[in-house]
Amino acid sequence: GQSLEQPSEVTAVEGAIVQINCTYQTSGFYGLSWYQQHDGGAPTFLSYNGLDGLEETGRFSSFLSRSDSYGYLLLQELQMKDSASYFCAVKRSGNTPLVFGKGTRLSVIA
Amino acid sequence: SAVISQKPSRDICQRGTSLTIQCQVDSQVTMMFWYRQQPGQSLTLIATANQGSEATYESGFVIDKFPISRPNLTFSTLTVSNMSPEDSSIYLCSAITQTGSEKLFFGSGTQLSVL
Repeated sequence: GQSLEQPSEVTAVEGAIVQINCTYQTSGFYGLSWYQQHDGGAPTFLSYNGLDGLEETGRFSSFLSRSDSYGYLLLQELQMKDSASYFCAVKRSGNTPLVFGKGTRLSVIA
Repeated sequence: SAVISQKPSRDICQRGTSLTIQCQVDSQVTMMFWYRQQPGQSLTLIATANQGSEATYESGFVIDKFPISRPNLTFSTLTVSNMSPEDSSIYLCSAITQTGSEKLFFGSGTQLSVL
């Protein structure tokens, strides 16, 4: 089977940096994605790592280490609007659908 | 990219009845999926909606309870049959636009409450 572990909650101060970790166990691992979901909203794609290393998209970066079955999402210069749930999701080989972690609820405080 | 319209956005239903949720994509997509999400919880895959053939269901979900149709490349429906309060959840339609793509687009969801 597959399993993904990420912290359930994180709180950080506006303007700070926060890192949300994700460890996974799965067969046929292909890549790791991150999604953001605001309360009452739909999940939206943030980033994808198919290779080891860091991917940067503006204030958000995502990292993957295949050898450690580990990845993280890094949010810089936190803003209040970043308060949301963040899900890591594993993409497996073939056309199999994504498997999502339980999500990390990020609260940004002043 | 893809814009996914899902309706109804919410409904309150009586036990034992059925509800059909519609999902319309503004462009042809290769794959469509249906997820369920309890408030504050993760997304659980119900099934992959296959165009022109029976859906592929995940463990714990069966066709009699969650019949799915996908008559073409832009439209799918999910029916929640013979509902019970345990079916109260948010149901999300999603799609990918290219085979092998890692980017999943989601509809805005249907919040279902069963009394």
